[in-house]
Amino acid sequence: GEDVEQSLFLSVREGDSSVINCTYTDSSSTYLYWYKQEPGAGLQLLTYIFSNMDMKQDQRLTVLLNKKDKHLSLRIADTQTGDSAIYFCAESTPRRGYSTLTFGKGTMLLVSP
Amino acid sequence: EAQVTQNPRYLITVTGKKLTVTCSQNMNHEYMSWYRQDPGLGLRQIYYSMNVEVTDKGDVPEGYKVSRKEKRNFPLILESPSPNQTSLYFCASSLERGTDTQYFGPGTRLTVL
Repeated sequence: GEDVEQSLFLSVREGDSSVINCTYTDSSSTYLYWYKQEPGAGLQLLTYIFSNMDMKQDQRLTVLLNKKDKHLSLRIADTQTGDSAIYFCAESTPRRGYSTLTFGKGTMLLVSP
Repeated sequence: EAQVTQNPRYLITVTGKKLTVTCSQNMNHEYMSWYRQDPGLGLRQIYYSMNVEVTDKGDVPEGYKVSRKEKRNFPLILESPSPNQTSLYFCASSLERGTDTQYFGPGTRLTVL
C-alpha cells in the first residue's frame, strides 16, 4: 500500500536554505508533489515532479527525486519568514483505474528572523 | 477567478444531526475529491468523483456520503455525525485524473459535540 513519510518539524534562520525530506513506498507513483499550507488556509501547490525526472528547479525551489531510494526533497533557498508554513509531500498513484493523491503528515517549517 | 468554494467555513453541531458541506468549482473540472485533515494524520481522502454520477470511496469513507449530480458541485453529507468526525475538511478539484494539478478549497472546520 501507499505510505508517505515526512519529518514533522524544521526550524531555520531567515536567509538560510531549508531542506524538507520525504520518503514514499509506492514504486508506481507517477507524479510527486509539494504543497504549502499557511495557517487557516487551504493547500497551495508549490511544485511537482514527474517520476522519470531527477531534479526540477523553480526560482527558489529545487526538487530532488531519488527514485531508487524513493526519496523526495524540497530545498528552499534564501528562506524567508513568509515561508513559515506546513509543507506536504504527496504522491500520485494509479488506483482502481484512476490516479489519486496520498499525502504525508506534513512538515512544519518555522523561519526565525 | 478560478476557485473552489466551500460552505460553511465553520460549523458546530451535535451528534446525530444531519449536515451537508457544499463544494463548488468554476473551472469545469471533471475530478473532485474530499479530504479530512487531522493533527498527526495529515490529509486522508474520503471520497472522490471522476465525473457526473461517478463516485468512489477513498481511504476513510465510513460515515460519509457524496453525490455528483452536476459537474461543478460535490457535496459531502454526514447523515449522523459523530464526535470522531470533528475535523478540517477540504474539497479539491482537477481537470482530469489526479495527475493534474489539484486545486483546494479554503477548508471547513467542523466540530461535532
